[in-house]
Parts: sequence; structure tokens; C-alpha cells
Amino acid sequence: DIQMTQTTSSLSASLGDKVTISCSASQGISNYLNWYQQKPDGTVKLLIYYTSSLHSGVPSRFSGSGSGTDYSLTISNLEPEDIATYYCQQYSNLPWTFGGGTKLEIK
Amino acid sequence: QVQLKESGPGLVAPSQSLSITCTVSGFSLTTYGVHWVRQPPGKGLEWLVVIWSDGSTTYNSALKSRLSISKDNSKSQVFLKMNSLQTDDTAMYYCARNSVYGRSMDYWGQGTSVTISS
Repeated sequence: DIQMTQTTSSLSASLGDKVTISCSASQGISNYLNWYQQKPDGTVKLLIYYTSSLHSGVPSRFSGSGSGTDYSLTISNLEPEDIATYYCQQYSNLPWTFGGGTKLEIK
Repeated sequence: QVQLKESGPGLVAPSQSLSITCTVSGFSLTTYGVHWVRQPPGKGLEWLVVIWSDGSTTYNSALKSRLSISKDNSKSQVFLKMNSLQTDDTAMYYCARNSVYGRSMDYWGQGTSVTISS
């Protein structure tokens, strides 16, 4: 199985900050990488698909990038509603696997 | 609008089986696939299985022997069954729609909590 590693399990930032969350795959995944947001109430939403494509309705302050084994999610101009845990997920190989999550808090 | 809603028993005894239903609205199961994903308390997400629009299935091989997925297109329902439950199967179980843009899960249900305990 491909292991997805989010080395930062929690992150604290101030409103208006630019935040970058990283995700690393145990082998190359050819940009087959999605990002999800899970709010404290458990609600899960798709943010980014195929590394950098923004899902419908997602604010443009969210962006994704990366290649090979290393990927990142960037939130520019952090807003209060961005408090959540963020997960990366690969779909290059079965089984599809998620990173352990990065919990974002407001400083 | 697109909605998915899970329903399940809440509490199941060890070694018993679990049946969960995902009822969808706002789209057709003949067009979209539906995944099941679970999350143990305080832990991350684990993908379990997907049933595609044509009825074919793809399982997480680690759980395939204990899982079964099916659907009723006319009732807009997807069914997950898991056998031989153990305490580490305690989790929130989510269903999610597969996006038209490849293998991403674009809409998720609120989840149903399942506790395995005697």
C-alpha cells in the first residue's frame, strides 16, 4: 500500500496568514492526489482534486500543488471558517489511502 | 442538491455483522459511484470500498473478506455489510459520491457512528 505522510499533525496560524500543509507519498503517485477538509463537527468536504483543481464552490484562497511524491495545500488569507483538519488522499494505487491529517488552529 | 445520509444500528456486539445504508438524493446511482470510508475515534480516514454506477465493485483488499457492498438504484440506496466485527471496527462510517472528475469523493454524508461492544 502507498503510505501518505502528513508530517505536521497540528498547525497554529493567525487570521490572514498564508498556510501551507504538506503531504508526502511513499512512492510516486503521478499527481493523483486529492485534499479534503473535515470540520470539528465531522463534516467532510472535497477541496482539491488531481493535485491542483479546485472543487466547485471552494473559495479561491485554497490551492494545491506538487508532483512525484510531494504535494501541498495552501490557504492564503486564513479565515475563521478554515479551522479544520485537512487530509490528503492518493488514488494512484489501490487501496486508496489517506494521510494522517493536519489539524489547523487559530493562534 | 446532492445529499447522502447514512443510517446504521449504532451498537453491535463483537463477532456479529453490521449493516449500514446510504440513502442518496440529488443524483442517480446509475450515473455515479458511491464509496464507504470509516474513521475510528480520534484517528484518520480509511477507504473501504466503492460500488460503481454499473454495479461493479472495488474493495480494500485488507477488508475484502469481511465486506460486502450492494445497491438498489430504484430506491437510491447503497448497502454496506461487514462481518466478524471486532472492537477496532468501532468508527464513524461515511458514504461519499465519486466525482465525475476521476477518483475523488466530491460529496459526503454526515456519517453514522458504530460502536462494537458487548
